[in-house]
Amino acid sequence: QKEVEQNSGPLSVPEGAIASLNCTYSDRVSQSFFWYRQYSGKSPELIMSIYSNGDKEDGRFTAQLNKASQYVSLLIRDSQPSDSATYLCAVVTGNNRKLIWGLGTSLAVNP
Amino acid sequence: DAGVTQSPTHLIKTRGQQVTLRCSPKSGHDTVSWYQQALGQGPQFIFQYYEEEERQRGNFPDRFSGHQFPNYSSELNVNALLLGDSALYLCASSSGPSGGSPLHFGNGTRLTVT
Repeated sequence: QKEVEQNSGPLSVPEGAIASLNCTYSDRVSQSFFWYRQYSGKSPELIMSIYSNGDKEDGRFTAQLNKASQYVSLLIRDSQPSDSATYLCAVVTGNNRKLIWGLGTSLAVNP
Repeated sequence: DAGVTQSPTHLIKTRGQQVTLRCSPKSGHDTVSWYQQALGQGPQFIFQYYEEEERQRGNFPDRFSGHQFPNYSSELNVNALLLGDSALYLCASSSGPSGGSPLHFGNGTRLTVT
């Protein structure tokens, strides 16, 4: 089992819909969780960080963390074509405090 | 508030040569991490520097080395370049090495080895 897993996609949603991106992790004692957006040929850009169970909202983005089920998700409301990118999940493992990256989910928002 | 800056933006080198990439962290950050990202792949962790010491290292050969200066800026050196070293090299800074602080990335250096 990979330490951080994401569906590679591509995930395709129509403009205005909700895009749901999921990430599971294997280290039960992980404490810090991050979502990054990366446009093709560009560097990753931090969208959300979440540390506690529950939801965290920032504009059109909501991160959801469930430590018991070991998953973290990112919801994008009112998806726009400009949201089309690869979304990377990153998790800090509990014991050795290493940042482990998922391979990313490609999102396409269709006008 | 200056973000993470990297130089140069693009670089073309010949196989066997050596290259040095540079990074200045975001203001207020003291930790620098370096990543390699090949086309279509996720970022691969090279190493992390904090207090001028290498604190963590990924699965990269000794040809990859680095340095951190007292002003927190950092260099990545790659010796004996191989064609497979062609990639986007990303520098990211954070506050402290523990992982609780999110990484902020620079725009990267695109290295092409011919």
